[in-house]
Amino acid sequence: QKEVEQDPGPLSVPEGAIVSLNCTYSNSAFQYFMWYRQYSRKGPELLMYTYSSGNKEDGRFTAQVDKSSKYISLFIRDSQPSDSATYLCAGKGDAGGTSYGKLTFGQGTILTVHP
Amino acid sequence: KAGVTQTPRYLIKTRGQQVTLSCSPISGHRSVSWYQQTPGQGLQFLFEYFSETQRNKGNFPGRFSGRQFSNSRSEMNVSTLELGDSALYLCASSISGTGLYFGPGTRLTVT
Repeated sequence: QKEVEQDPGPLSVPEGAIVSLNCTYSNSAFQYFMWYRQYSRKGPELLMYTYSSGNKEDGRFTAQVDKSSKYISLFIRDSQPSDSATYLCAGKGDAGGTSYGKLTFGQGTILTVHP
Repeated sequence: KAGVTQTPRYLIKTRGQQVTLSCSPISGHRSVSWYQQTPGQGLQFLFEYFSETQRNKGNFPGRFSGRQFSNSRSEMNVSTLELGDSALYLCASSISGTGLYFGPGTRLTVT
């Protein structure tokens, strides 16, 4: 079993829809959770990061973490064709530990927003 | 502020050869990590360097190695290339534990 599980999709939605992307994880040591967006043939771009449980909002994006159920979500409101990309979730142990850069990623969900 | 840069962007090598990839982190970032991305395995952690010291290593064979210089720039080396090493190699930098910023990657093709 992978430490971070993510439905690869693909997911296709009409423009303006609310998109829900989800991941589950198994490593209880994860304290930081991140969402990345990756366009074809580009490097991943950091969208959101959250610490422990709770919600975080940034424009059209909302990240949620529920540590009790080991479930993380990303919501995209008013989706646009430019949101079409692969979305990757990731978990990381405490920043006070020995690593800043060791993330464990899900497989990524391919999202297409059609006009 | 300039982002993470990687050179070269594309590389074609033959089995058995070795390759060196280069990464310049965001100014002020002392942590540099390397990842391998393939369609089958996704993004996998290779190793992390901080202040010229390897701080973490992923589950890759010893053919994969790296180093970091005093200016935080980093290189990774793959020796005795295999077909399965064909991948997108991504470098990422961080100033703390709250965000990891990736470069555009080097696409390595091994023939």
